[in-house]
Amino acid sequence: DGGITQSPKYLFRKEGQNVTLSCEQNLNHDAMYWYRQDPGQGLRLIYYSQIVNDFQKGDIAEGYSVSREKKESFPLTVTSAQKNPTAFYLCASGSSWEVETQYFGPGTRLLVL
Amino acid sequence: EDQVTQSPEALRLQEGESSSLNCSYTVSGLRGLFWYRQDPGKGPEFLFTLYSAGEEKEKERLKATLTKKESFLHITAPKPEDSATYLCAVQAKGDYKLSFGAGTTVTVRA
Repeated sequence: DGGITQSPKYLFRKEGQNVTLSCEQNLNHDAMYWYRQDPGQGLRLIYYSQIVNDFQKGDIAEGYSVSREKKESFPLTVTSAQKNPTAFYLCASGSSWEVETQYFGPGTRLLVL
Repeated sequence: EDQVTQSPEALRLQEGESSSLNCSYTVSGLRGLFWYRQDPGKGPEFLFTLYSAGEEKEKERLKATLTKKESFLHITAPKPEDSATYLCAVQAKGDYKLSFGAGTTVTVRA
C-alpha cells in the first residue's frame, strides 16, 4: 500500500528541547518537502530535497534542520532556536517529472509544554 | 514572488446549493495550478492539476477551471461530505516549490 507516513501524530516539546519529526514514503519519489501550517495562513515551505544527500532551504528554514540519507526518508528536526514551533507540520513527496504534483502525509501536530 | 489569494475565506452552503471558489494568482510563468482538499486535522488530498488557460477538469461534484489570472473550483449540488477546506497552489516554471493560498473553508448543511 503506497503512501506517506508521518510520526508521531502529536508531539510535545519542552522549552530548549530539540525534537524530530519522521517522514517516510514508499512511492519511489525523488523529491520530498516539509511544510508548516498555521491557522489562517497558507502552507509555508520549510525545506525541500530533490535527491538523496541534497536539500535546500525553503521560505522559513530558520530554527529547523533536515537530512536526506535515504530516498524514502526525510526527517525534520525542530531545534530550540525555533521560538514559535507550535503548528501542524506536513511532509510531502513528488516525482521530478514535468509538473510536479505533491502528495501529502497525514501531518504531525507539535505543541509546546 | 509568487502570490496566491483565495476567496471567500469561508463559505456556508445548503445541501444542493451550487457555488464557486476563487483562486487568484501571480506567478512568473505558470507551470501548474493545483487544487487540494483538506479535512480537519489531516493532510491535504490532491484533487486536480491544471496546466494552461482554458483547461477544465472534473471529479464527481467538483469542476476546476483555469484562466491566465485565476482558477475557479465549482461545487455542483454539494453534499455534507463536501465540507472541507479547499487549498489552491501554484508552481512556477523552473521551480519545484508550491506557493499556497490560505484556503476556503466550505461547510455544507443538510
